[in-house]
Amino acid sequence: EAEVAQSPRYKITEKSQAVAFWCDPISGHATLYWYRQILGQGPELLVQFQDESVVDDSQLPKDRFSAERLKGVDSTLKIQPAELGDSAMYLCASSQGVSDGGTDTQYFGPGTRLTVL
Amino acid sequence: GQNIDQPTEMTATEGAIVQINCTYQTSGFNGLFWYQQHAGEAPTFLSYNVLDGLEEKGRFSSFLSRSKGYSYLLLKELQMKDSASYLCAVLDSNYQLIWGAGTKLIIKP
Repeated sequence: EAEVAQSPRYKITEKSQAVAFWCDPISGHATLYWYRQILGQGPELLVQFQDESVVDDSQLPKDRFSAERLKGVDSTLKIQPAELGDSAMYLCASSQGVSDGGTDTQYFGPGTRLTVL
Repeated sequence: GQNIDQPTEMTATEGAIVQINCTYQTSGFNGLFWYQQHAGEAPTFLSYNVLDGLEEKGRFSSFLSRSKGYSYLLLKELQMKDSASYLCAVLDSNYQLIWGAGTKLIIKP
């Protein structure tokens, strides 16, 4: 069964350092999402890509966060500099879209647990 | 604004049945999803409803009433491995997924 791949699974860094997360969506999924999830809350959308284009990055703190999906396949999310409040689970998801009668179901990777000290 | 409400925590007994409710107020509606999330792991897809009625999938069923802005997830024959958070999410008119905060389900022997 096809899966969304993410790395690293865990990351510990000190504040003011740079961190980067990588995601490879399910093959053929045009839409890719980056979420941040704090314990006890639902996922918060940071950025959504359709192929290589950003569809929604309204909740992305652009002063320190950046995301790219240059070839419309895998994607990287970067934080520079990291702050204590960035400690959270960072989730990547992908979906096929609603064309051809699809339901736009999002499938998640295992996530990256970030701890900022 | 857009809002999804679900109970914060529920407790049930192994072998029993539990119903987790979700009410929503969103800008448009293009479907409702239920996800299961074990502690420290990513959400996994459970069910999708876009029409009124009940969708059954093994021990899990999901119900939708669009006129009432209401859904529930029904878990039968509860097992200890069902201890997890259950997230309700609605696809709005812009095909943005609006998430609830999740319901933590505790199963006791």
